[in-house]
Amino acid sequence: KNQVEQSPQSLIILEGKNCTLQCNYTVSPFSNLRWYKQDTGRGPVSLTIMTFSENTKSNGRYTATLDADTKQSSLHITASQLSDSASYICVVNSNTGNQFYFGTGTSLTVIP
Amino acid sequence: NAGVTQTPKFQVLKTGQSMTLQCAQDMNHNSMYWYRQDPGMGLRLIYYSASEGTTDKGEVPNGYNVSRLNKREFSLRLESAAPSQTSVYFCASRRLAGRKIHEQYFGPGTRLTVT
Repeated sequence: KNQVEQSPQSLIILEGKNCTLQCNYTVSPFSNLRWYKQDTGRGPVSLTIMTFSENTKSNGRYTATLDADTKQSSLHITASQLSDSASYICVVNSNTGNQFYFGTGTSLTVIP
Repeated sequence: NAGVTQTPKFQVLKTGQSMTLQCAQDMNHNSMYWYRQDPGMGLRLIYYSASEGTTDKGEVPNGYNVSRLNKREFSLRLESAAPSQTSVYFCASRRLAGRKIHEQYFGPGTRLTVT
């Protein structure tokens, strides 16, 4: 069964600290993996898109890694800011085109 | 360039009532999607339209119908609302061309409550 699992479910960190969010997937065939940020009451916004051949991709303070062999991805947030408080969603796109498999998200709270 | 817009932002319906959620995009994207988001669950695809004139069922299509009115607009209709359809609905769009991987852009969502 095609699934995307994220951990932890929720996380609270102090402003300025780093954190890493995890995503494991069983989707096959694999096309690409995406990380989205969803602020409360808003739609998801894309952070990164990674294909099979990409191991690491950065977007400012966000760095995503992908291990296609173990079917794992992580999102590392450096020097967290209060505005990083949001839900982070891992999404895997199957090679069949319009099939997107969404994780349930990690809720991140950054406190002063 | 407004991206993906959705109307209304909030709606309360009584069981059995009908309504249409509107979605429009101004990015000239050919593919459009309707998702629902429920607490503790990932976004689930209701319907999608790969291109103007085509629509296909997603994971949870029961109780919904869609219309791809033109390239810009993709509407979702609830013919007889049920409490189980209480959810946040997101419309999304993306360009689908060749082998290149394109971003999917989401609207701000419609919060629907069915009593």
